[in-house]
Amino acid sequence: AQSVTQPDIHITVSEGASLELRCNYSYGATPYLFWYVQSPGQGLQLLLKYFSGDTLVQGIKGFEAEFKRSQSSFNLRKPSVHWSDAAEYFCAVGAGITGGGNKLTFGTGTQLKVEL
Amino acid sequence: GAGVSQSPSNKVTEKGKDVELRCDPISGHTALYWYRQSLGQGLEFLIYFQGNSAPDKSGLPSDRFSAERTGGSVSTLTIQRTQQEDSAVYLCASSRSGTGTNRLYGYTFGSGTRLTVV
Repeated sequence: AQSVTQPDIHITVSEGASLELRCNYSYGATPYLFWYVQSPGQGLQLLLKYFSGDTLVQGIKGFEAEFKRSQSSFNLRKPSVHWSDAAEYFCAVGAGITGGGNKLTFGTGTQLKVEL
Repeated sequence: GAGVSQSPSNKVTEKGKDVELRCDPISGHTALYWYRQSLGQGLEFLIYFQGNSAPDKSGLPSDRFSAERTGGSVSTLTIQRTQQEDSAVYLCASSRSGTGTNRLYGYTFGSGTRLTVV
């Protein structure tokens, strides 16, 4: 069964600083990987996704992530963090399920705090 | 609609009562998913609908939980005889298709229903 580990529960960065959120996955085949962001009281918003091809993927809000098969990682990065980026970030791996569909297995999330 | 709509946004219920949570997916999205987000368990898959059928309901935690979808659109998650451990945020998500490569294009989530059982 697939699994996702986000080692950092909380991260605090200063506004304007760079950011890297870690994600490690376990999956027996080619993984389909996602990063979602959740602001307080909101649902999850898709930031970016990786299926195949270029291992560096660009997403919304200036985020990018790099897939490294050898390290089973899919870390999320942003060169310069804005105060509005404060939220909880979830990494997920997708797998096909019986009858179609795509079941996502989520990590436990990383809470990002941005200091002004 | 423009997004996935869930109602109510908040629900407080007494232990032992039944509750119904509603999800209105994006128009035209044939795949619909329910997840539960709780402090101790993180985000857990509950059930997947393709049209009105539920090919995968493996995540439903007990037979007190059931879900249906009608007209390939609105879905209702019902919890009977609620328990305190059912307190969580219930998230609904939809995607354009549950089949083929479209299924891998990520979901659009609703804002969730926060259920509190007292």
